[in-house]
Amino acid sequence: DTGVSQDPRHKITKRGQNVTFRCDPISEHNRLYWYRQTLGQGPEFLTYFQNEAQLEKSRLLSDRFSAERPKGSFSTLEIQRTEQGDSAMYLCASSRGQGDVNEQFFGPGTRLTVL
Amino acid sequence: GNSVTQMEGPVTLSEEAFLTINCTYTATGYPSLFWYVQYPGEGLQLLLKATKADDKGSNKGFEATYRKETTSFHLEKGSVQVSDSAVYFCALSGGDYKLSFGAGTTVTVRA
Repeated sequence: DTGVSQDPRHKITKRGQNVTFRCDPISEHNRLYWYRQTLGQGPEFLTYFQNEAQLEKSRLLSDRFSAERPKGSFSTLEIQRTEQGDSAMYLCASSRGQGDVNEQFFGPGTRLTVL
Repeated sequence: GNSVTQMEGPVTLSEEAFLTINCTYTATGYPSLFWYVQYPGEGLQLLLKATKADDKGSNKGFEATYRKETTSFHLEKGSVQVSDSAVYFCALSGGDYKLSFGAGTTVTVRA
């Protein structure tokens, strides 16, 4: 399977705990994006990377959220001190980033439930 | 900033009926426009796209035309099947690369 993969697919945690999600993009893609989707809404942009550089962060990404892409390949999204409002589906996407009209390919998502 | 407004659902149709989902956008410059589809239990998939005014995107019998004068990108299919039951998202991408999505429209097709 050469698509975007995410791990874990589901995560249940207690309020106040830290969680980390991983995304593996399509191998030749140098752009990687994180989105958050709540029930009944479309995905909302969180942040994106061009290779290992984080180029933009949404206002949705509070100080409790941090994302990395250390070698320009996989990425991690960490949420510290989780709150119930963080419960959502976290989506990762990747794109080539070279004249491809930004066609993004999405992974299956990680569903986070904060109790 | 950029935003997308799409027709609220849910939409329920009979097989072979005509489907249209309205989508309008607000953006600076000349964005690229997309329709993504999410089938039950699956991830988001790109359905079709258009990159400039008057372009028509098409795939799997679905079509949408980039109308700059009305800032619209309505999705249409002439004869839907049960397998078209899904959530459809209109989205745009400007020069900042991020996608801005509409809220999604749930479509259910009955046999």
